[in-house]
Amino acid sequence: LAKTTQPISMDSYEGQEVNITCSHNNIATNDYITWYQQFPSQGPRFIIQGYKTKVTNEVASLFIPADRKSSTLSLPRVSLSDTAVYYCLVGIGRRALTFGSGTRLQVQP
Amino acid sequence: DTGVSQDPRHKITKRGQNVTFRCDPISEHNRLYWYRQTLGQGPEFLTYFQNEAQLEKSRLLSDRFSAERPKGSFSTLEIQRTEQGDSAMYLCASSLGGTDQETQYFGPGTRLLVL
Repeated sequence: LAKTTQPISMDSYEGQEVNITCSHNNIATNDYITWYQQFPSQGPRFIIQGYKTKVTNEVASLFIPADRKSSTLSLPRVSLSDTAVYYCLVGIGRRALTFGSGTRLQVQP
Repeated sequence: DTGVSQDPRHKITKRGQNVTFRCDPISEHNRLYWYRQTLGQGPEFLTYFQNEAQLEKSRLLSDRFSAERPKGSFSTLEIQRTEQGDSAMYLCASSLGGTDQETQYFGPGTRLLVL
């Protein structure tokens, strides 16, 4: 399974755009990149998933360069409620997800 | 709500007791996963079902742990002779298998405290 590396923590202010980058140098050809958000005492919540280039939904955007060895989750205009842990995962279906320690995002007023 | 549900949400037990958790997946999902999460760490895979068949188990799943999905719908995770080290959040996820883009959706978790 491809190992991922992401910053341990990030700080931001309300209204700012936050970009969290994840490295996955040994991503396999068929692997998808998935991001989850987790609040304390809750299960991880699916945010976005992509294979290449750019994916956008109502919550976030995911940028994936051509070599797919990294990806960037972009959260536009964050609010206090975006304070959470964000996990980057790489893999395909039929596999157990391998979570790292995630990135703890703290949004300040 | 048609998401993944888990019951109970919280469980406090004494060391040596048995506990059982239940997971109800999203109704059309044929795959079901159990994970365990300790404080400050990401979830760790325990076991996985496709329909009623248990296809994969982690080395974390000691012989005190057993999971079932008898009719391919809900699943139970039982821990026998609980130990303090079993204290954790137990998460269930489900997915609709069949494509590489399969996405797992998680339930709210069951937090276990072993005294």
